[in-house]
This record gives sequence, structure tokens and C-alpha cells, in this order.
Amino acid sequence: NAGVTQTPKFQVLKTGQSMTLQCAQDMNHEYMSWYRQDPGMGLRLIHYSVGAGITDQGEVPNGYNVSRSTTEDFPLRLLSAAPSQTSVYFCASTFLRDRGGVFFGQGTRLTVV
Amino acid sequence: AQSVTQLDSQVPVFEEAPVELRCNYSSSVSVYLFWYVQYPNQGLQLLLKYLSGSTLVKGINGFEAEFNKSQTSFHLRKPSVHISDTAEYFCAVSDHGNKLVFGAGTILRVKS
Repeated sequence: NAGVTQTPKFQVLKTGQSMTLQCAQDMNHEYMSWYRQDPGMGLRLIHYSVGAGITDQGEVPNGYNVSRSTTEDFPLRLLSAAPSQTSVYFCASTFLRDRGGVFFGQGTRLTVV
Repeated sequence: AQSVTQLDSQVPVFEEAPVELRCNYSSSVSVYLFWYVQYPNQGLQLLLKYLSGSTLVKGINGFEAEFNKSQTSFHLRKPSVHISDTAEYFCAVSDHGNKLVFGAGTILRVKS
């Protein structure tokens, strides 16, 4: 039981490049989400999903795309990276009816130069 | 809309001293409240949560928090801290328990 797995752990991109951050969970959680963490700002919700085929925007969705084709996977796509997207990205998941908070992955540290 | 204010960005404290990390929230509906801990270069780990019932909630590593509805607060406390408690602590609020709104975080620095 690996929990929430994020890959890669570190990534450096050039401005304008695209990439996909991977997130997979093996707990059969319906709910999955992506946050970004910036110093002094805590974690802010980018996108979330309540099940396969269903996604919605969070607080800071601009510049990011998501899709949910399976219960296990929830990739985050940066279409054209910008320096403002330099951040640590966390994927989190839980059962939809669980009111007890979410489980986090170990994070992906992204630098856009 | 919900929001969380963590009143201290950094809290320095000596080992074995008590500590309180302050958290205030705003919400127009009933809420669920959480404290998460993040050790350096790691993900976030759930420390404790308030869903309903007793307003005093006990969590892992000897931490506890008290939900105060009238003051809209959920302060985190530990009677005696250890060097290993050095980390960043995040307070979060949710009306569903999964879509969390986080505060800016408080860095706890425990000194020997």
C-alpha cells in the first residue's frame, strides 16, 4: 500500500515548456486534488476531482489542466510554464464521504527558469 | 467563503517549554477543522481534527487543540515540546472534510 505517489520529486523547466506532474493513489479514493505551496501563503487548491471523468477548479486554476480518466490517477498539466509557477506541488486524496481530511503525497518541487 | 488566519508566522520556544500555535477561521457554515504538520522536505501529515463532539481534540505526538465556536478559534497546544517538533504547522478548515482551505503556516522552532 503506497498511499499517494507523486512523480517526479524535482523538476526544472524553461519558460514556455510544458510538462505533466503525475499523481497516483492505491487506496480507491474518489476525491483527489492538487495544491501548490508557496512561502507565506500556505497551500492553495488548484483543481480537484470527485471521481473519474469529473473535475473542477479550485482557487488558483489558471495555467493548469487536469483530467481524471481512472480512479487511481490524477495528472496535473502545465501547458506553458511561467516563473510564477515555481512552487511545490502536492497531490492529496480521500474517500468522498470521509470528513476526516485528506492524505498528501510527498510533493513535487518545480522550478521554472 | 472560508478563510484561515494563523496569527504567528514563526514561534521560537525552548525545549520542554509549552507552546501554543494560534488559528482563527471564518466560515458561514458549520466547519471541520484540521491541523497538519510538515517536516522539512516532506509532505503534510494530519496531526489532529475536529469534526464534532468534544471541543478538546487530542492528536499525535502529544498535541491537542481546542475548538472555540464563539471565538472562531482552533489553537494548537503542547505542554512540553521536543527538538523533533521543529516543523511547519498548518491549520485548515473545510465544510465537507475534503476540500480544505489552509492558513499560511506557522514555523515552530524548538531550541535546546
